Amino acid sequence: QVQLVQSGAEVKKPGASVKVSCKVSGYTLTELSMHWVRQAPGKGLEWMGGFDPEDGETIYAQKFQGRVTMTEDTSTDTAYMELSSLRSEDTAVYYCATGIAVAGNRAFDIWGQGTMVTVSS
Amino acid sequence: EIVLTQSPATLSLSPGERATLSCRASQSVSSYLAWYQQKPGQAPRLLIYDASNRATGIPARFSGSGSGTDFTLTISSLEPEDFAVYYCQQRSNWPPLYTFGQGTKLEIK
Repeated sequence: QVQLVQSGAEVKKPGASVKVSCKVSGYTLTELSMHWVRQAPGKGLEWMGGFDPEDGETIYAQKFQGRVTMTEDTSTDTAYMELSSLRSEDTAVYYCATGIAVAGNRAFDIWGQGTMVTVSS
Repeated sequence: EIVLTQSPATLSLSPGERATLSCRASQSVSSYLAWYQQKPGQAPRLLIYDASNRATGIPARFSGSGSGTDFTLTISSLEPEDFAVYYCQQRSNWPPLYTFGQGTKLEIK
């Protein structure tokens, strides 16, 4: 079955960048539309962006445009999310997520285990 | 951007009772609404998609209903493992943007 395995926890200083990886197994990355969702400590879920297969583009939530880049390496079936100009408010668990059994990627039934990113001076 | 508002923020019930959670959208999302359960330290788990379809492996005590702007997640008889935080989520048609509600915490009374 499909599994998403994310990279380990990161500690970054304000102003730095972080790059989180999400390795796919059980499927190839080209068969999936990968999305990224984050959750600040004690807070709710926040969608950051993801791949839209209808036009082949990655769409970002307006809040993160200009600061986030989502890429894929199909040779290793690994997706990446890079967030730049980090600030303390970016401290959160970052999840990759995708939809397998839900047509049109209307919901996410497969999630990575999460990657804790801490931004602190 | 479509805003999802969940109510109540916290729901206190006992095992065996019926739970009713609400999610209201700021504009119509047709039937493109999903529900997730999240326990501490875990990733969210998909329960319901397209408003009323149970995801694979989800027990029949979980059901979803609604369309347009008003949606409900019902847990018919609470089990101890059902106490968690529940989120609704929608995907707009174009551009395909996703938003989550702020969550409802279901706690043991």
